[in-house]
Amino acid sequence: GAGVSQSPSNKVTEKGKDVELRCDPISGHTALYWYRQSLGQGLEFLIYFQGNSAPDKSGLPSDRFSAERTGGSVSTLTIQRTQQEDSAVYLCASSPNAPTSNQPQHFGDGTRLSIL
Amino acid sequence: QKEVEQDPGPLSVPEGAIVSLNCTYSNSAFQYFMWYRQYSRKGPELLMYTYSSGNKEDGRFTAQVDKSSKYISLFIRDSQPSDSATYLCAMSGGSNYQLIWGAGTKLIIKP
Repeated sequence: GAGVSQSPSNKVTEKGKDVELRCDPISGHTALYWYRQSLGQGLEFLIYFQGNSAPDKSGLPSDRFSAERTGGSVSTLTIQRTQQEDSAVYLCASSPNAPTSNQPQHFGDGTRLSIL
Repeated sequence: QKEVEQDPGPLSVPEGAIVSLNCTYSNSAFQYFMWYRQYSRKGPELLMYTYSSGNKEDGRFTAQVDKSSKYISLFIRDSQPSDSATYLCAMSGGSNYQLIWGAGTKLIIKP
């Protein structure tokens, strides 16, 4: 079946602009996660959704970052007034159930965001 | 000190060699251990998933967990150039339901 799909695959924008990144999880997966990966670094947790709710937003770096999920499926990560330090690969993952079940997460190929 | 430590490499070995990749961790509550492989410009792909201590084998890959030493390993037998990638360890357990990630080891298999 289809895996996790992310769009766009690449995004280049000017500092100060807003960007929206989209994630379409594996069908039937109730948990959805957003991570950020900078060059040569591990994955930095941003936020996770269980259904349409976000029980844990602790990883969002600032109030310029927000995310929503609708219909228990597609999620959008929005970054307002982008800064150069926001340049990174933004990865989305999904899993069948809540993180407390400790099930593996399945990843999309990410959106490579470059802020000029 | 990071919760999970992983040597970033690069680790370069000849084709056919046995590769050993490792992570150490500090939280004794971790019980679930994963290895992901990440090719350039791709997302991480789950390779191995183990619970608690012991070994798990899948084809050329063996995952080993030593909870007493807080040390996990991934062994790759008969390594191939197609195994060249970054390998990330991740773990969770106890109050940490989130996955805690190592920084990844870049592996290069030379033909």
